[in-house]
Amino acid sequence: DSGVTQTPKHLITATGQRVTLRCSPRSGDLSVYWYQQSLDQGLQFLIQYYNGEERAKGNILERFSAQQFPDLHSELNLSSLELGDSALYFCASSVGIRLLHGELFFGEGSRLTVL
Amino acid sequence: ELKVEQNPLFPSMQEGKNYTIYCNYSTTSDRLYWYRQDPGKSLESLFVLLSNGAVKQEGRLMASLDTKARLSTLHITAAVHDLSATYFCAVDRVLNYGGSQGNLIFGKGTKLSVKP
Repeated sequence: DSGVTQTPKHLITATGQRVTLRCSPRSGDLSVYWYQQSLDQGLQFLIQYYNGEERAKGNILERFSAQQFPDLHSELNLSSLELGDSALYFCASSVGIRLLHGELFFGEGSRLTVL
Repeated sequence: ELKVEQNPLFPSMQEGKNYTIYCNYSTTSDRLYWYRQDPGKSLESLFVLLSNGAVKQEGRLMASLDTKARLSTLHITAAVHDLSATYFCAVDRVLNYGGSQGNLIFGKGTKLSVKP
């Protein structure tokens, strides 16, 4: 158990809908990262937040957005869902804004199925 | 653009045999990560290689990093069925003033199947 908690574990929804994925980082970690794992694209970095502020952006679609709250949990919002958004979405966390020694801990993931 | 290539992607090997997974990356990076993923599960950190020449070993797995060749290897000794999983290597961008961004670029993964 990495200490990173993600909910829901599974989610099935229809095209055009909007969903929110939630992540609680490990105790004491200030950075949260979101990754998407799909059959087509593999594992891709989406976005990073540190202590409530966006710090880095990867291949995140405009239909997706994220935020990190004062209690450090983060939410990834996916809207106008398409079939291709079906994927496993991982949250990871680390202590600082940067990885000094490579410590990045992944949650169990949220599996999104868009029908 | 930073790219990471793993090979082979779908090896099948027999128990008791040795095997090596290769990870090439396209630009300068001093950090190389190896993760293991079981089907439908999270990513388990195996090794973090932080410098040229780094070698780490845990049980039947040994990882090494050659930053000059931009190559890392994950060597499996006397494979057992429990090692069947998908193995990912990943790199990230090292910042000039130390540390890295944590925005890892992953390879496609090597889905290892160890047969009795």
